[in-house]
Amino acid sequence: GENVEQHPSTLSVQEGDSAVIKCTYSDSASNYFPWYKQELGKRPQLIIDIRSNVGEKKDQRIAVTLNKTAKHFSLHITETQPEDSAVYFCAASKSYKLSFGAGTTVTVRA
Amino acid sequence: DAGVIQSPRHEVTEMGQEVTLRCKPISGHDYLFWYRQTMMRGLELLIYFNNNVPIDDSGMPEDRFSAKMPNASFSTLKIQPSEPRDSAVYFCASSLEASGAYNEQFFGPGTRLTVL
Repeated sequence: GENVEQHPSTLSVQEGDSAVIKCTYSDSASNYFPWYKQELGKRPQLIIDIRSNVGEKKDQRIAVTLNKTAKHFSLHITETQPEDSAVYFCAASKSYKLSFGAGTTVTVRA
Repeated sequence: DAGVIQSPRHEVTEMGQEVTLRCKPISGHDYLFWYRQTMMRGLELLIYFNNNVPIDDSGMPEDRFSAKMPNASFSTLKIQPSEPRDSAVYFCASSLEASGAYNEQFFGPGTRLTVL
């Protein structure tokens, strides 16, 4: 089955700086790559996603890039704010089944 | 829409007891997923349904776990008998079938299960 690896496991950044989280996947047939944010004690919520026919997607301060050849994708958060502190999960999917990475705990220092 | 609804939100039980978790997906969604989240294993897909039919239960850990979806608006995840290692947060999620498989999964608030 699909194996998704996510790095780093924890990330501490100064407010206003950028944060980058990287993921690799194993199944070349995966074609959908969502990113979920989970605040403490809350449910995971989709923040951005990218499809296999797109190399990059941006939504305000968040961007995701995908390299299908290398089988890796990344989340970029610019101008980080305290409310960006959370656990971020990448995932890879084919046929509706999501395989999640282990998560990255992001802490934004004021 | 109220979103995905799960009950109970918290469950504390003793080892050996039967536990039933419940989920109501978003109205009109035709996919339903059950996940388990622990610190050690992260978010794991247990089983998912399409139009009330189980499609993939390869993530169900063992025979003590069973899931049903008797109709489009209700699903249960049952653990019998429960064990301390089943302690986790169990999430239900639903999605609407779209072209290909590019469909957002909407998560419920989760059920925090503690087995003593």
